[in-house]
Amino acid sequence: EPEVTQTPSHQVTQMGQEVILRCVPISNHLYFYWYRQILGQKVEFLVSFYNNEISEKSEIFDDQFSVERPDGSNFTLKIRSTKLEDSAMYFCASSEWGGYSNQPQHFGDGTRLSIL
Amino acid sequence: GESVGLHLPTLSVQEGDNSIINCAYSNSASDYFIWYKQESGKGPQFIIDIRSNMDKRQGQRVTVLLNKTVKHLSLQIAATQPGDSAVYFCAETSNAGGTSYGKLTFGQGTILTVHP
Repeated sequence: EPEVTQTPSHQVTQMGQEVILRCVPISNHLYFYWYRQILGQKVEFLVSFYNNEISEKSEIFDDQFSVERPDGSNFTLKIRSTKLEDSAMYFCASSEWGGYSNQPQHFGDGTRLSIL
Repeated sequence: GESVGLHLPTLSVQEGDNSIINCAYSNSASDYFIWYKQESGKGPQFIIDIRSNMDKRQGQRVTVLLNKTVKHLSLQIAATQPGDSAVYFCAETSNAGGTSYGKLTFGQGTILTVHP
């Protein structure tokens, strides 16, 4: 069964450093998402991406965050200058369609980001 | 209301029993709902979805019930097995006004423990 893959599984970074989290969505999917989950809390939406541009973003997704689809398979989340409060599990998800079509989103197993 | 999620609701059942996990949502415009299962160290795994024009949907050993009047969603698992032990999340989205691009809002989660 096709799946969303994320690398690395665990990333440890010094505060203030840039970090890039990588995702390979399911190959025929057109909508891509990033979510995060702080330990013990709900999964929170960060951003959705379609047709090479951001469709929607949350208040969490400030100027320190950016997303990119650098090629036909990868989807990345960059945090420019990490803060302690960025420590969380970051999940990538993809869906075949989005918006009106109500397609389920399929998630990767996440990257645990630890900021020191 | 909002919760920091440090004390998730828990449900303990014996193997072979039926389980019912409940979820309340607040957005009356929500029109698509998904149940996810999250095992330790893994990402949310799609279980079943339901659109707001339905009140019941069945899958393999799982049934989702939707009551839009009281904004309540439930997941029923038949003949629960130890492998069903996980955290279960409901998630919802709204296409009201055509402004949604699939952003999912997750519930707090329920810990299901199945005893052999």
